[in-house]
Amino acid sequence: DTAVSQTPKYLVTQMGNDKSIKCEQNLGHDTMYWYKQDSKKFLKIMFSYNNKELIINETVPNRFSPKSPDKAHLNLHINSLELGDSAVYFCASSVVTTSYEQYFGPGTRLTVT
Amino acid sequence: QKEVEQNSGPLSVPEGAIASLNCTYSDRGSQSFFWYRQYSGKSPELIMFIYSNGDKEDGRFTAQLNKASQYVSLLIRDSQPSDSATYLCAPQGTDSWGKLQFGAGTQVVVTP
Repeated sequence: DTAVSQTPKYLVTQMGNDKSIKCEQNLGHDTMYWYKQDSKKFLKIMFSYNNKELIINETVPNRFSPKSPDKAHLNLHINSLELGDSAVYFCASSVVTTSYEQYFGPGTRLTVT
Repeated sequence: QKEVEQNSGPLSVPEGAIASLNCTYSDRGSQSFFWYRQYSGKSPELIMFIYSNGDKEDGRFTAQLNKASQYVSLLIRDSQPSDSATYLCAPQGTDSWGKLQFGAGTQVVVTP
């Protein structure tokens, strides 16, 4: 029944580690997104994929690398984690061809110590 | 200059009253505007969208758009404690893929 799911929900790790967050949507949408929401609650887009093709690549450190194995999945890998990476990361999806309404996953709270 | 500006609040509203939330945006080409609600610790959820100038009503929510003034607002009538949340304004950008540009949100607190 879940529309957009993310794993893990919480991630606590130390500086310098590498971690991944996974996202899956069962809505049949063509487009998926990664957003970062910092402590001030500002929601900022990081990446977007349409049918496995990268279409939006905002100015984020190249330590962040998205991967889309198919249009239902979008993963985010983060290398050499830094304290400033601590935030909530949201995955979202939308049917770009008919609307830009986005459906968000539950979020992954990343804490870097 | 911020691309999307909202009063951060908190906006304190008595139960049953009207909550009025404002949003201004800088991208003159934006054509579509979305309002998302985000409860504390939860993900944003779409509650309203508006494409044309004027008002659009959906239940207790009314969105108002004035493209000439680059202004969009959300009214919540008969506010309920369950409306206590942060409301994010999101105009659609004019780049090829129309990414949403979220404001920082207005926190609404409905008091019984």
